[in-house]
Amino acid sequence: DGGITQSPKYLFRKEGQNVTLSCEQNLNHDAMYWYRQDPGQGLRLIYYSQIVNDFQKGDIAEGYSVSREKKESFPLTVTSAQKNPTAFYLCASSIGIRDQETQYFGPGTRLLVL
Amino acid sequence: AQSVTQLDSHVSVSEGTPVLLRCNYSSSYSPSLFWYVQHPNKGLQLLLKYTSAATLVKGINGFEAEFKKSETSFHLTKPSAHMSDAAEYFCVVGYNKFYFGSGTKLNVKP
Repeated sequence: DGGITQSPKYLFRKEGQNVTLSCEQNLNHDAMYWYRQDPGQGLRLIYYSQIVNDFQKGDIAEGYSVSREKKESFPLTVTSAQKNPTAFYLCASSIGIRDQETQYFGPGTRLLVL
Repeated sequence: AQSVTQLDSHVSVSEGTPVLLRCNYSSSYSPSLFWYVQHPNKGLQLLLKYTSAATLVKGINGFEAEFKKSETSFHLTKPSAHMSDAAEYFCVVGYNKFYFGSGTKLNVKP
């Protein structure tokens, strides 16, 4: 089955800790994205990557970091600098970055702070 | 500048009655428009998309949307609601990146 997987489903972070959210896709898509979703708000773009070894900041990149060493994988690290990390995190991918390209979403990871 | 406004944060309908979820957009150019659905604690699933072909777009699960350029609207409709339609719906404008509306939660009463 082709698709996007995210792990873990739930993640708990202690104060001052960095945590990494996994995102893998087997759709052979070049572009990948990370979004943050808070209650009552639409999705906000954290980072995106058009191609391997390249990524760009989105609207709310502060306190987050990413890497894109493989086409299939786009992990997101929530650093201790992110003071309000509790949210639902969604990873997405698309064939490329053009207006009409559909983005396909993973099932999400819910991050909670202990 | 691009933006999306979903006019209702909550919509409640009875099972078997029509559904209307309203979306207005602002775009300097002809955008691509999408509707996604999200069930609780799940990812987003594409319902349908408009990319300057037919103005009436049919999607999955009986949903459709009509692109009206003069009204800058892209409302989502379904003739008869089903209990399984209860979810949150997002209208999205695609122009260089995705611009998400704030979502409409659809409640379906038995």
